[in-house]
Amino acid sequence: ETGVTQSPTHLIKTRGQQVTLRCSSQSGHNTVSWYQQALGQGPQFIFQYYREEENGRGNFPPRFSGLQFPNYSSELNVNALELDDSALYLCASSPRTGESSYEQYFGPGTRLTVT
Amino acid sequence: DQQVKQNSPSLSVQEGRISILNCDYTNSMFDYFLWYKKYPAEGPTFLISISSIKDKNEDGRFTVFLNKSAKHLSLHIVPSQPGDSAVYFCAASARYRDDKIIFGKGTRLHILP
Repeated sequence: ETGVTQSPTHLIKTRGQQVTLRCSSQSGHNTVSWYQQALGQGPQFIFQYYREEENGRGNFPPRFSGLQFPNYSSELNVNALELDDSALYLCASSPRTGESSYEQYFGPGTRLTVT
Repeated sequence: DQQVKQNSPSLSVQEGRISILNCDYTNSMFDYFLWYKKYPAEGPTFLISISSIKDKNEDGRFTVFLNKSAKHLSLHIVPSQPGDSAVYFCAASARYRDDKIIFGKGTRLHILP
């Protein structure tokens, strides 16, 4: 069983640029959630995708957008990068049914640095 | 507004003793609570969960207690082992409203030899 994978591991961008982060969900999981974890903080929910549709969104501006593909992999896109976007971005997958849908399985994250 | 609070940034416990990690929440709509463990350079790993209809859930060395009236939960690890040294996140969800999971800031647990 393959776990959640994310790419790239690290990324450095300059303010104003755009970035795309990628996530492959765990086998059998059809729901993907994205989180931002700033230094010293817990993960903050950005949004969730289920069957290629956005299914819930946290308090993030529209320049944070996403996609989910038919194979349940997902992308997080951030436009017009700001210095405060520097963080660890975590992807988590989960099955949709039952209580286990809340037992999200996280990838190792992508560390984004905006200069 | 921090809806899930972990007021102890760090905790040190002797190997073999009990580790107790605490978490408070403010949103009475939360009905499902989870604990995650995170090692450096890895994503959080699901540890144990509890539904609001229960007040205790056990899984091996890990037990979570929920006190709804006090809006408080705790994670007990008995006995503590060196591999338990990690950051522990408390998280909560209002499952019948949305699928959003709200995390606390985490508590770093050090198990001392």
